[in-house]
Amino acid sequence: QKEVEQNSGPLSVPEGAIASLNCTYSDRVSQSFFWYRQYSGKSPELIMSIYSNGDKEDGRFTAQLNKASQYVSLLIRDSQPSDSATYLCAVNPLSNNDMRFGAGTRLTVKP
Amino acid sequence: DADVTQTPRNRITKTGKRIMLECSQTKGHDRMYWYRQDPGLGLRLIYYSFDVKDINKGEISDGYSVSRQAQAKFSLSLESAIPNQTALYFCATSGGSGHSNEKLFFGSGTQLSVL
Repeated sequence: QKEVEQNSGPLSVPEGAIASLNCTYSDRVSQSFFWYRQYSGKSPELIMSIYSNGDKEDGRFTAQLNKASQYVSLLIRDSQPSDSATYLCAVNPLSNNDMRFGAGTRLTVKP
Repeated sequence: DADVTQTPRNRITKTGKRIMLECSQTKGHDRMYWYRQDPGLGLRLIYYSFDVKDINKGEISDGYSVSRQAQAKFSLSLESAIPNQTALYFCATSGGSGHSNEKLFFGSGTQLSVL
């Protein structure tokens, strides 16, 4: 079992819809969770971080964390074509920077 | 802008050759990392360094070595390159206190091909 698992996609949504990206992790002691966005041919860029159970909102993005279910998700509201990218889930098991990444979910937002 | 710079951007080499990838940063961060990215496998940590005198192996350090020449410089070496080291390599930094030092800032990447 991979430590951090994501659906590889591609996930396709129409412009203006909500895109829902999911991630599960295996290490129960994980404390810190991150979402990175990576455009094709570019480097990953941090877009969200979450550390406690519940929702965290930042503009059109909402991160959701459920430690009991070992599940973290990213919702993108009012999706735009510019949101088309690969989204990487990252988990820091003991907050010691041995970060583990999922393989990423490719999102396409169609105009 | 404070930045993370990797050189070279692209490199093609032959099996058995020694190669060095370089990373420098102007962010003033103490922590530096080397990751490789392979299709379907995501990013995997090779080595990381929390300061000049601190070097740690990551998930996949075999076949690689690193040098932290200064706070701002962290280089990755492949002593004898092999084809399965063909990948996209990223340098990253983090800094600050608390959760801030978990947030990674990536360089533009080096595409390495070993023939």
